[in-house]
Amino acid sequence: RKEVEQDPGPFNVPEGATVAFNCTYSNSASQSFFWYRQDCRKEPKLLMSVYSSGNEDGRFTAQLNRASQYISLLIRDSKLSDSATYLCVVNLGGFKTIFGAGTRLFVKA
Amino acid sequence: EAGVVQSPRYKIIEKKQPVAFWCNPISGHNTLYWYRQNLGQGPELLIRYENEEAVDDSQLPKDRFSAERLKGVDSTLKIQPAELGDSAVYLCASSLGGLAGGWQYFGPGTRLTVT
Repeated sequence: RKEVEQDPGPFNVPEGATVAFNCTYSNSASQSFFWYRQDCRKEPKLLMSVYSSGNEDGRFTAQLNRASQYISLLIRDSKLSDSATYLCVVNLGGFKTIFGAGTRLFVKA
Repeated sequence: EAGVVQSPRYKIIEKKQPVAFWCNPISGHNTLYWYRQNLGQGPELLIRYENEEAVDDSQLPKDRFSAERLKGVDSTLKIQPAELGDSAVYLCASSLGGLAGGWQYFGPGTRLTVT
């Protein structure tokens, strides 16, 4: 079993749609969690941290469920510019960071 | 503020040839990472430095890969000799480390093609 697993997609959604991605992790000692965004042929960029209480940044909402060991990312009112690969990242107390393989999102006009 | 700088951006070499990649992290970032990313995959850690010390190189193929971070700033990743399977994007990232280790800032990467 991979340490961080994501549905590779692709998710094809129309503009304005709401889309959600899940990510599961296997190490219960994981301490911090993040979502990164990677555009085609570009480097990954930090999108947001994920906290147990959930956090929201504009149209993006991230949630953490420690009991079930998964994190989620919800995108509301999708824009064409949201088309990218979303990487789930798990950090083991700063000592080890593991990236998921990513979920591809295509937003269509 | 300048981001992470990497060079070269692209490199095409024949198998069995050597190649080197250079990275300059964000000023003040003590932790430096080298990742390899294959198409359709997430970045895979090759080596992590805390200042000038390599603290995690368990995924570095040591028979052909080497890295150094002199003076705890710039870093160089070398492959010698390169194999066809080494074709990938090599990403350098830096962070403040510790609990902020997940907040990593990536350079644009070096796209290596081995023919």
